[in-house]
Parts: sequence; C-alpha cells; structure tokens
Amino acid sequence: DAGVIQSPRHEVTEMGQEVTLRCKPISGHNSLFWYRQTMMRGLELLIYFNNNVPIDDSGMPEDRFSAKMPNASFSTLKIQPSEPRDSAVYFCASTLFSEGKQPQHFGDGTRLSIL
Amino acid sequence: QKEVEQDPGPLSVPEGAIVSLNCTYSNSAFQYFMWYRQYSRKGPELLMYTYSSGNKEDGRFTAQVDKSSKYISLFIRDSQPSDSATYLCAMSSGNTPLVFGKGTRLSVIA
Repeated sequence: DAGVIQSPRHEVTEMGQEVTLRCKPISGHNSLFWYRQTMMRGLELLIYFNNNVPIDDSGMPEDRFSAKMPNASFSTLKIQPSEPRDSAVYFCASTLFSEGKQPQHFGDGTRLSIL
Repeated sequence: QKEVEQDPGPLSVPEGAIVSLNCTYSNSAFQYFMWYRQYSRKGPELLMYTYSSGNKEDGRFTAQVDKSSKYISLFIRDSQPSDSATYLCAMSSGNTPLVFGKGTRLSVIA
C-alpha cells in the first residue's frame, strides 16, 4: 500500500514568494493533519481535516498560511507571502479518525528553506 | 506546563546498552499512548501502541505506562547503531487528536 505522499521533498525560495506544499493521504483515511517541525518547537499541529472539512486551524501561525482539502485524496498548504522564519520541515499525516485512538501515518515531509 | 514533556537529549549510548526514554504528561484523561521513531530526513513512524496502563513488549522494545504517575517509558534492549533516531511520544484521550512530545535524539555508538 502506498503511504502518505508529499511533494515537493525540498523547496528553496526567496522571501515574499508563494509556496505550495502538497499531500496525498492514504486511501480510505478520513482525517488529514498538517504539522511543522523545528528543532526549537518540535512537531506543531497546524490544522486538521475530517472528511475534507477543516476542524481546527488554531495552530496556523498567521493569515499568510492557508490549507485546503478539495477532495479525499489531495490537500495543499500554502504560504503567501513566505518569510525566512517559515523555514522548517512540513509534514502531512493521515489516519482513519482524528480522535487519537488510531496512529497517524506520516509522509516524509517537505523541507522548506526561505532565503 | 505543557501537556506532554519529553527530554530532548541528545542521548548517546554504546552499542548493546539498555536505553530508557521517558515522557510525562499532565492530562489524566490520556489513555492512548504511542511511541514513534523518526530517522533523519524521514517522517515519524509508529513503533509501539499501548492502551491504558501496563506493559507491551515487541522484540527488543518495551513500552510502559504508569497512569498514576502520568509517566510513560520506552525501553530498548541490546541497542544497535540502527536504533539511532529521534523518538517521539504521543498520546490522546480518545476524543482529540494525538499530542506529541518534542522528541529525544538517540545515538547508539558502535
């Protein structure tokens, strides 16, 4: 079975540019999560969806961040405009249900560098 | 106080040592406990899953949960260089998404 697929694996761009990160969850999973990981703050939950509907976006740092899930097999996280402090590894994860009874399955992340 | 506390390390041990990794938590409603292993430049992957209190063993790995002390542990016996990774604890009440610790970096030196 294919796992969670994220693209691109690496992104280097200049400050002010728009950045779009993509995620394909595991087929059949109903919940999708976006995380940001840094050495200082660890793994931070940004937003999660149940059945393509955003449930909690309280972790999204600013209005510059937005996420969509137009269908069950695709989600995007967009940063516009990007800033150097957005540099981090961004992970997408999916699971059957979001209530924490089942483990989440992670992609290999997008390593984002904003110059 | 953060909901989940985990010593970030780094922890360095010789090959063959017994490793103990720990997390403490503040939410007494937590009853689903997981350990993830994350290799460099990869995503976290599930290593152990425990419901409620008690021990669970899988090969060289043992997960322990002490709900009275709000304390969970992961033990690695006969540690190998291939165990070098970051280990993250995660937990949930079953009503909200998993809460993750910050992770402990482990190096096993041959």
